[in-house]
Amino acid sequence: EAQVTQNPRYLITVTGKKLTVTCSQNMNHEYMSWYRQDPGLGLRQIYYSMNVEVTDKGDVPEGYKVSRKEKRNFPLILESPSPNQTSLYFCASSLFSANTGELFFGEGSRLTVL
Amino acid sequence: KNEVEQSPQNLTAQEGEFITINCSYSVGISALHWLQQHPGGGIVSLFMLSSGKKKHGRLIATINIQEKHSSLHITASHPRDSAVYICAAPLEGGATNKLIFGTGTLLAVQP
Repeated sequence: EAQVTQNPRYLITVTGKKLTVTCSQNMNHEYMSWYRQDPGLGLRQIYYSMNVEVTDKGDVPEGYKVSRKEKRNFPLILESPSPNQTSLYFCASSLFSANTGELFFGEGSRLTVL
Repeated sequence: KNEVEQSPQNLTAQEGEFITINCSYSVGISALHWLQQHPGGGIVSLFMLSSGKKKHGRLIATINIQEKHSSLHITASHPRDSAVYICAAPLEGGATNKLIFGTGTLLAVQP
């Protein structure tokens, strides 16, 4: 089954404790991207990647890192989480780019930073 | 002011009604996605279009890139259509992989 898988789905952590949210797709997609969703602000793009070793900033990259060492994986790294990073996070992928095909989303990861 | 504006923000309809949700944008875009998010659920792509009209079942999406406007129509609405509908647009030119989002339209279809 074609899918985008995120882990963990739910996480409560404390300020400053490094964490990684994993994202994996099994569709051989080149484009992958991370978003956060907050009440009243909607979805905002954090980072995106066009292919292995190619990443770029979205609208809200501060406090986040990403890497794309393999085509299928695009982890989101919070080196020192802060309470303002409490949010619902989504990973998405598309075959080539954001403007050439359907976006496939993961189920979301709800992160709480205390 | 948001670069992507959706209207209405909230919409309540009776089962069977024809529904229209609008998305207007103030920047140049290369395409537009319509997304659906059920309460507490994930996000599903409904359409991606860069011109004209697309139809899938009871859903129809239209776009006029030059007029910077897109609409999502639901015919014969059903309570299972209750969800948040979000438009998302990749910017044009060198930023085609940057997505900007509307704030969503919360639709409730009552039986």
